Formats: sequence, structure tokens, C-alpha cells
Amino acid sequence: DAGVTQSPTHLIKTRGQQVTLRCSPISGHKSVSWYQQVLGQGPQFIFQYYEKEERGRGNFPDRFSARQFPNYSSELNVNALLLGDSALYLCASSRQLAKNIQYFGAGTRLSVL
Amino acid sequence: KNEVEQSPQNLTAQEGEFITINCSYSVGISALHWLQQHPGGGIVSLFMLSSGKKKHGRLIATINIQEKHSSLHITASHPRDSAVYICAVRREADGLTFGKGTHLIIQP
Repeated sequence: DAGVTQSPTHLIKTRGQQVTLRCSPISGHKSVSWYQQVLGQGPQFIFQYYEKEERGRGNFPDRFSARQFPNYSSELNVNALLLGDSALYLCASSRQLAKNIQYFGAGTRLSVL
Repeated sequence: KNEVEQSPQNLTAQEGEFITINCSYSVGISALHWLQQHPGGGIVSLFMLSSGKKKHGRLIATINIQEKHSSLHITASHPRDSAVYICAVRREADGLTFGKGTHLIIQP
């Protein structure tokens, strides 16, 4: 079985632009979570989706949005990019919500110039 | 104060040594995760604990819910164990809250 796949692997944008990151969960997993990891720090929780509904949101501005599709894949959108949005964006999937191991994708490295 | 505190932040040891990484948390949780992150970003889930102790190969993880503390042990450490080890906790309605990680280097 394929693991969690994220695309693209690397992305370069300029300030003010918009970006869409994509995540395909492991087959059979209904929950997808998004995390931001700034260089040298631990990941920070952005969103969690389960059965196409938002079930959790971290402390991120409204420029960050996400959605989950009927096939359980997910997109993370970031508008009006700032230099500080440069980070590794990680997607993780799990079968259910709580008390389930989360499996992480390799991440999308976003650089904002 | 962070909700999840790890110690030590950095650890360098010789091959074969017994390694212990500690994690303390300050909130009620439904589960605690130990994760391994190699250079380049890939994160691998090592353990998910809600009580007691788990063992996988040379790795052992324990949790004390009353004391809000968990430890990750590596026996007979090897240079390939060199990585960042991250403790993360999950509350019922949220995603994972991560510690800052422990940078482990095992020298031959």
C-alpha cells in the first residue's frame, strides 16, 4: 500500500501569492491533519479533517484554509503569502480521529521569497 | 511554558549506550506519540501510548499518566538511530501538540 503522498515536494512562491498543497491519505484512512514545521522547530497543528468536515483548527490566521474531498484527499490553501510562511508542510492521515496512529507524508517544502 | 517539554534538547552518545529521552506534558491527553524525524523532513511514528509500556525491537516507550510523563529508551544504540525524536500529545478535539524534539547523535 502507498503511504501518505504529498505534492508538490518543493515550491517557491513570492510574497502575496497564493499556494495550494495536496495530500493523499493511506487507503482506508478517513482523517487528514495538516502541520507546519518551521526550520529548527517542532511541527504546529493547522487543521484536522474527518469525513470531509473540519474537526480541529490550530492557531493560524484565516489566510490558511483547507478542505477534504469525498475520496478523503485534502488540500491546504494559503493566501497572501508572507515570508514567515516558509516552512515544511506536513500531512498526516489516520483511520479515525482519536487514539489512532498518524502516518506522515514526506512534506512539501515551501519557500516564500 | 510549552504544553510539551522534552529533555534533553541535544544528546550525543557512543554506539552501544542506553539512551533515554524524556517528555513531560501539562494537559489532559487521550494519547501520546513518539515520532522520529530524519534530516530532510520524513516523520515516522514509533509509538502511540495511552498507558503502560510498549516495546518494538530496541525501542521502549513508557508513560505515567498520573505524573504526565513519558520516556523513550533506545537499547544498544547505533549510528543509524541518529535523528530527531519528537514527543507529541493528543487531546480529544485537537491535532497533535509537539515538543521541540531531541537531537540525538550516536557516534561510532
